[in-house]
Amino acid sequence: NAGVTQTPKFRVLKTGQSMTLLCAQDMNHEYMYWYRQDPGMGLRLIHYSVGEGTTAKGEVPDGYNVSRLKKQNFLLGLESAAPSQTSVYFCASSYDASGRTISYNEQFFGPGTRLTVL
Amino acid sequence: EDKVVQSPLSLVVHEGDTVTLNCSYEVTNFRSLLWYKQEKKAPTFLFMLTSSGIEKKSGRLSSILDKKELFSILNITATQTGDSAVYLCVANQAGTALIFGKGTTLSVSS
Repeated sequence: NAGVTQTPKFRVLKTGQSMTLLCAQDMNHEYMYWYRQDPGMGLRLIHYSVGEGTTAKGEVPDGYNVSRLKKQNFLLGLESAAPSQTSVYFCASSYDASGRTISYNEQFFGPGTRLTVL
Repeated sequence: EDKVVQSPLSLVVHEGDTVTLNCSYEVTNFRSLLWYKQEKKAPTFLFMLTSSGIEKKSGRLSSILDKKELFSILNITATQTGDSAVYLCVANQAGTALIFGKGTTLSVSS
């Protein structure tokens, strides 16, 4: 079991470039999340997904898009990177069998992707 | 506005000390509260608290939730240098996702 993996681990972009971060989990989790972590701000939710083919906005969704075409993968896209998107990005997943609400079970985090936008 | 407030923001102690980290929350449709430990990598899960007054323990760490006063504490006894980390308090809100506090940075000196 690899758990939650993220690709790439590091990336440097120029302003205006685009890129996609990949998150994969092998725990058959229903829910997946993308967070960004900035100094003094804690973790902030960007987007999340409650199942294959579904996505929803979190606290700071602007400038990002996501897709969940397969249950095990959750992609985070930056269409036109800006310096304000320099951050560490964490993916997480969790399982919920109780219905449509967001799981309050433990979230398993990936190792993070450090992104710098120049 | 929903929020989770942790205090202190940073703390420096000596090995062997006991520390108490505080977390207060104002969250509509509150479901549960979670504690995570984050070193220089992804957060790792410590506790999930759903009921008031029931202490959860794991080794030298323990935590308790007060749903009436809307706070939780995380206790670490006999601290070790390996306890140095950022401790995150997170409130789970029904129908949406998680609301994170900014964390308490704990430094344990030998």
